[in-house]
Amino acid sequence: EAQVTQNPRYLITVTGKKLTVTCSQNMNHEYMSWYRQDPGLGLRQIYYSMNVEVTDKGDVPEGYKVSRKEKRNFPLILESPSPNQTSLYFCASSLSSGGLNSGSYNEQFFGPGTRLTVL
Amino acid sequence: AQSVAQPEDQVNVAEGNPLTVKCTYSVSGNPYLFWYVQYPNRGLQFLLKYITGDNLVKGSYGFEAEFNKSQTSFHLKKPSALVSDSALYFCAVRYAGNNRKLIWGLGTSLAVNP
Repeated sequence: EAQVTQNPRYLITVTGKKLTVTCSQNMNHEYMSWYRQDPGLGLRQIYYSMNVEVTDKGDVPEGYKVSRKEKRNFPLILESPSPNQTSLYFCASSLSSGGLNSGSYNEQFFGPGTRLTVL
Repeated sequence: AQSVAQPEDQVNVAEGNPLTVKCTYSVSGNPYLFWYVQYPNRGLQFLLKYITGDNLVKGSYGFEAEFNKSQTSFHLKKPSALVSDSALYFCAVRYAGNNRKLIWGLGTSLAVNP
């Protein structure tokens, strides 16, 4: 089954304790992205990756890190979590045919979400 | 500035009645428009998209949307609502100037009452 998986689904942690949220897709997608969803703010992009070893900042990258060492995996790292990072996080992936002005019409597939609480 | 607006935070409709969830956009160049749905405690799912061609686009679960260039709108519609359509709906647009990300609306909560 084609899917995007995230782990853990729920996490409660304390301020400053490093954590990683994993994301994996089995569709051989080039493009992957992390979003956070907050009430009244909709979806905001944190980081994205166009392919292996190619990552870039989204709209709200502060306090987060990512890596893309393999095509299927795109972990989100919070080195020192703070309460304002309490949120619902989604990983997404899509095909990308490359080029700045091409292949931008492919739909994204989303993971089930990770609900993070930082105390 | 590029933007997407979903003017209604919530839409209520009776089961069996037609539903419309509104979306307007402001982007330069030709837009690529998307609708996604989020059911409770689930990730977002793609519903439909407009890239080019016929202004009326049909998607999953009986939904359709009409691209109106003059009104810069892409409203989501369904002829007969089901209780199971109750969810959060997001409109998004990608424009020719930036391949890499979508501009998202804030979402519209649809409640279909039995």
